[in-house]
Amino acid sequence: QKEVEQDPGPLSVPEGAIVSLNCTYSNSAFQYFMWYRQYSRKGPELLMYTYSSGNKEDGRFTAQVDKSSKYISLFIRDSQPSDSATYLCAMIRGQNFVFGPGTRLSVLP
Amino acid sequence: KAGVTQTPRYLIKTRGQQVTLSCSPISGHRSVSWYQQTPGQGLQFLFEYFSETQRNKGNFPGRFSGRQFSNSRSEMNVSTLELGDSALYLCASSFGWDQPQHFGDGTRLSIL
Repeated sequence: QKEVEQDPGPLSVPEGAIVSLNCTYSNSAFQYFMWYRQYSRKGPELLMYTYSSGNKEDGRFTAQVDKSSKYISLFIRDSQPSDSATYLCAMIRGQNFVFGPGTRLSVLP
Repeated sequence: KAGVTQTPRYLIKTRGQQVTLSCSPISGHRSVSWYQQTPGQGLQFLFEYFSETQRNKGNFPGRFSGRQFSNSRSEMNVSTLELGDSALYLCASSFGWDQPQHFGDGTRLSIL
């Protein structure tokens, strides 16, 4: 079992839909949680960074962390075609950065 | 504020050659990490440097090496290239271990 699991998709949704992306992890030592967005032929871009359980909102994006269930989510409201990308969750355990495999999202106009 | 800069963006090499990739981190960032990204394996951690010292190393053969200079710029070297080394090599920098990493756009290495 991998430390961080993420559904690879692809996930296709119509424009305007609410998107839910999820990651589960097995090690309770993870303390910090991030979401990255990666467009084709580009490096991952940091979207959200949080270290506590609960919700954090930034524009159309909401990151949710549930440490008791070892589960994190990223919600995208009013999704746009420009949101089509691969989304990677990432976590920090000590000095180790661990990435999920990524979920490919397509938002159809 | 300038982001992480990686050079070159594209490289084509043949088996057996060696290659050096360069990374300039965000100003003030002292931690630089390197990753290999392939469609089948995702992001795989190579190594991390902090203040010119390698702090962490992933599970890659000794053909993969790196270093960091006093200005935090970093290089990674791959010797005796193999076909399987074809990948996107990403560099990321941060202030420290508990801070999010910021990525460059990578160097796409193709081995013929």
